[in-house]
Amino acid sequence: AQKITQTQPGMFVQEKEAVTLDCTYDTSDPSYGLFWYKQPSSGEMIFLIYQGSYDQQNATEGRYSLNFQKARKSANLVISASQLGDSAMYFCAMREGLESGGFKTIFGAGTRLFVKA
Amino acid sequence: DTGVSQDPRHKITKRGQNVTFRCDPISEHNRLYWYRQTLGQGPEFLTYFQNEAQLEKSRLLSDRFSAERPKGSFSTLEIQRTEQGDSAMYLCASSFGQGRTTNEKLFFGSGTQLSVL
Repeated sequence: AQKITQTQPGMFVQEKEAVTLDCTYDTSDPSYGLFWYKQPSSGEMIFLIYQGSYDQQNATEGRYSLNFQKARKSANLVISASQLGDSAMYFCAMREGLESGGFKTIFGAGTRLFVKA
Repeated sequence: DTGVSQDPRHKITKRGQNVTFRCDPISEHNRLYWYRQTLGQGPEFLTYFQNEAQLEKSRLLSDRFSAERPKGSFSTLEIQRTEQGDSAMYLCASSFGQGRTTNEKLFFGSGTQLSVL
């Protein structure tokens, strides 16, 4: 069964420093997509970055990069030059491909990031 | 470009009452998802529509829950005979997708916070 694990309930980072949020996943489907979403206190989930299981290079989107280690089944999010506005909940998510038979995206429990001034 | 909107934002009800939530997806999106999120947890998949057809439903969803998407536009989620355990944030998301793709990112609404007294 597919599963997403985020082991860091909370993380602190100093403003302007980089931070890594951990995510491991489990799936038997060779085709899958990995996502990170941000959820500020307003509640609306915001897409940040996507990595496909067959992508050779790590995904990057501005200050966000995804450290994809397929053999270890990890998909850590790296935020560079943290800003106060980065304080939020961050969710790792996965969507399986052709073999799963379903269409859903599943989410981890999340990591709350606190950026200190 | 309007995003996904959900109504109401907050709902307080007494145990045993029925409640209905509405979701208006992004207009060109053919897929619509409902998720439930409890405090400190990630979103949990409830059900999925492609156009007006409900194609997947979580086994965790009891018979008290029903969702519709008439004409493939807005969707409603009804909970009958509410219980205190139903208290949660109910999130709606939409996307445009064809076939079983792994790179389909979700656009979320701000959610409906349900409190059952």
